[in-house]
Amino acid sequence: AQTVTQSQPEMSVQEAETVTLSCTYDTSESDYYLFWYKQPPSRQMILVIRQEAYKQQNATENRFSVNFQKAAKSFSLKISDSQLGDAAMYFCAPNTGFQKLVFGTGTRLLVSP
Amino acid sequence: DTGVSQNPRHKITKRGQNVTFRCDPISEHNRLYWYRQTLGQGPEFLTYFQNEAQLEKSRLLSDRFSAERPKGSFSTLEIQRTEQGDSAMYLCASSSDIAGGASTDTQYFGPGTRLTVL
Repeated sequence: AQTVTQSQPEMSVQEAETVTLSCTYDTSESDYYLFWYKQPPSRQMILVIRQEAYKQQNATENRFSVNFQKAAKSFSLKISDSQLGDAAMYFCAPNTGFQKLVFGTGTRLLVSP
Repeated sequence: DTGVSQNPRHKITKRGQNVTFRCDPISEHNRLYWYRQTLGQGPEFLTYFQNEAQLEKSRLLSDRFSAERPKGSFSTLEIQRTEQGDSAMYLCASSSDIAGGASTDTQYFGPGTRLTVL
């Protein structure tokens, strides 16, 4: 079974600072995609960033970037210049076959002024 | 493109009653997914449609659960004889198979339907 581990139940960051959320996963697939989703208190899941496993270059999306280590099966999310609106649950989710996403348990990000 | 919509947003029902949820995907998205999310957990996959065909069902989807996508557009998820353990947020997502291969498409989620079984 595919598993996703987010070892940080909660992280705190001050506005304008940088925070990194960790994620490790297990898969036997060689070609797959990985996603980070954000779920604010309103509970709508929002796509943050996507990484193709065959690409060596790490994905970036404005203040969000990933550190993808394929051999280590690690996929961390870095948020730069944190904003109050970044406060949410963040889920790591590989899409490793048969279309379904497998989600971790999430990391709650708290942002303080 | 108005995004994925789900109705109702909230449903309270008594144990033993049947409930039905609807999901309208992003227009022209051919893939549609249902997930269930309980408090404090990440979403868990329930089932997946490509057009009108239901291609995969999780073992979580007991025989009390049935999902349809009759014309390859909207989908319904029905739960018969609800139990208190069915209380959860039911999420729908859709995606487009542009590249035609597995594991290539990005799923966009709706706001969910929160089910409370009393």
